[in-house]
Amino acid sequence: KQEVTQIPAALSVPEGENLVLNCSFTDSAIYNLQWFRQDPGKGLTSLLLIQSSQREQTSGRLNASLDKSSGRSTLYIAASQPGDSATYLCAVLADRGSTLGRLYFGRGTQLTVWP
Amino acid sequence: NAGVTQTPKFQVLKTGQSMTLQCAQDMNHNSMYWYRQDPGMGLRLIYYSASEGTTDKGEVPNGYNVSRLNKREFSLRLESAAPSQTSVYFCASSRDRGFYEQYFGPGTRLTVT
Repeated sequence: KQEVTQIPAALSVPEGENLVLNCSFTDSAIYNLQWFRQDPGKGLTSLLLIQSSQREQTSGRLNASLDKSSGRSTLYIAASQPGDSATYLCAVLADRGSTLGRLYFGRGTQLTVWP
Repeated sequence: NAGVTQTPKFQVLKTGQSMTLQCAQDMNHNSMYWYRQDPGMGLRLIYYSASEGTTDKGEVPNGYNVSRLNKREFSLRLESAAPSQTSVYFCASSRDRGFYEQYFGPGTRLTVT
């Protein structure tokens, strides 16, 4: 069964720092990996999606990398701002058999950026 | 486009009561999903519908039923609510099962007393 782990569980940093959030998964049979943002009491907003054949994706100050063979992804946030404060979730999409199309989520990293 | 909508936003039930959570999408997606989110557990798949007319169990289906009413709508029913079903429920949709990005609704916060 696919297991997704996110480290650290929580992170508190001053504004302006560059951050790295980590995600690891146990089964490399994935279609893609998605990073989501969740604000308190809200739904999930998709930030980046990396297909299994890709190594990285970038959107603005966000850069996500994927090393499928080692089961790892990182989300890099440049020049962090207080508005980046949220929980960041990593999810992998299974690509085989009865689990095809299932998203497996990590428990998230709760990020606080203070002014 | 509203994307994925869910009703209600909040609900309080007594143990043993039943209710249906509604979900609709306007993106012409084929696949729809129901997840629950519990503190410290992450999101877990309850049921999904790969296409209109089909439904399949996910990771935690016990105590739930689903109906894919048409291509737009996918409902989740709790027949006899239990305190263990207190959670936040999210509906999602994607173009097809498999390769495509999933889009999430705002969630329904359910408390069972």
